[in-house]
Amino acid sequence: QVQLKESGPGLVQPSETLSLTCTVSGFSLTSYSVSWVRQPSGKGPEWMGRMWYDGDTAYNSALKSRLSISRDTSKNQVFLKMNSLQTDDTGTYYCTRDRVNYYSGDFAYWGQGTLVTVSS
Amino acid sequence: DVQMTQSLSYLAASPGESVSISCKASKSISNYLAWYQQKPGEAYKLLIYSGSTLQSGTPSRFSGSGSGTDFTLTIRSLEPEDFGLYYCQQYYEKPLTFGSGTKLEIK
Repeated sequence: QVQLKESGPGLVQPSETLSLTCTVSGFSLTSYSVSWVRQPSGKGPEWMGRMWYDGDTAYNSALKSRLSISRDTSKNQVFLKMNSLQTDDTGTYYCTRDRVNYYSGDFAYWGQGTLVTVSS
Repeated sequence: DVQMTQSLSYLAASPGESVSISCKASKSISNYLAWYQQKPGEAYKLLIYSGSTLQSGTPSRFSGSGSGTDFTLTIRSLEPEDFGLYYCQQYYEKPLTFGSGTKLEIK
């Protein structure tokens, strides 16, 4: 059974760094790509970036200067780090898995999401 | 970036009716288009990919059509559980982009 679960702090101070973990089960990170998607309240989702099955990464150019995605395959975890957070980074952060192995671009599995609030 | 426009932000319909939700891409994306349903407290659900292919588990009352820039999600004979938010997403090119959503309310 495929599962993804996001974890991390619910509150982050402005200008600080956000660190989130996506723990997966039911599939291998070396066969499937995992993306991070965020959604401000009342708005559509925004794709942030992906960890490819082969360990490579891809980022949304709008966030690339602040964003880093990494993984630990032994722990079945994918990590997101984003620095210089501002209030408009507030929203729900999801990790997602591609529908098929290696790459599809559409997401058949989503975590429940974790709400991140940027506030002092 | 490819902009995805869902012109209708809200839609209300009664059980048994049919509804259509549109999505327009700012450039041709071939058929690299997915539709998702989001319901409160539940994980996003992939309904349709490749513009018109039903994801496993998606009820047959859902259908997708379109290619290029204009796409439509149709739900025939609405069920009460179909309420929620519907998003389109293009995966033709990076960055992957989503529409702003259409909220379907059941009357």
